[in-house]
Amino acid sequence: DAMVIQNPRYQVTQFGKPVTLSCSQTLNHNVMYWYQQKSSQAPKLLFHYYDKDFNNEADTPDNFQSRRPNTSFCFLDIRSPGLGDAAMYLCATSRDLASGGEQFFGPGTRLTVL
Amino acid sequence: GENVEQHPSTLSVQEGDSAVIKCTYSDSASNYFPWYKQELGKRPQLIIDIRSNVGEKKDQRIAVTLNKTAKHFSLHITETQPEDSAVYFCAATDDYKLSFGAGTTVTVRA
Repeated sequence: DAMVIQNPRYQVTQFGKPVTLSCSQTLNHNVMYWYQQKSSQAPKLLFHYYDKDFNNEADTPDNFQSRRPNTSFCFLDIRSPGLGDAAMYLCATSRDLASGGEQFFGPGTRLTVL
Repeated sequence: GENVEQHPSTLSVQEGDSAVIKCTYSDSASNYFPWYKQELGKRPQLIIDIRSNVGEKKDQRIAVTLNKTAKHFSLHITETQPEDSAVYFCAATDDYKLSFGAGTTVTVRA
């Protein structure tokens, strides 16, 4: 019954070694979001896709990229992870823009950078 | 952009008592105000939301009130139970981006 699925749940990478996190959804929602959440903080939006249109937040580092090959899947690529990129990465979906209703979050991928 | 402030940052209540969390927002164009509950190590989950054309909404032990004039909204949890212990985030938006408050860690003492 999982609606937003993230893989892997835990990811360990080395400093500077590229890593890809994946998200899939069974809700057929138009919008997919990627958030970064550090300990004891609110989720921070990195970017979102409205259908195929990519929207980057102004303060998202260039080190972070995303791909959405189809409606169901979205990927977060971190090209050269630094120690400061260790965090929980949350994928979320919504039927339409946020003001249109609930965002459904996935369980998250906890990234450790060694 | 929207700025949401949330208070208190931590809240400890005795089981059975009520808990109140307050948020203020800056952008008068914001029209959707969700509340998310996040248990330790788990995903944020929507517990209640309210739109700007409504002043109050209730769902069992949870209620949210909105004062558009003052630009603040509040979460009320009555008859708190141990399973209510979590971090609660308020948020506001008028488009695609949820602007979150900093969160309130609620601890319900048995």
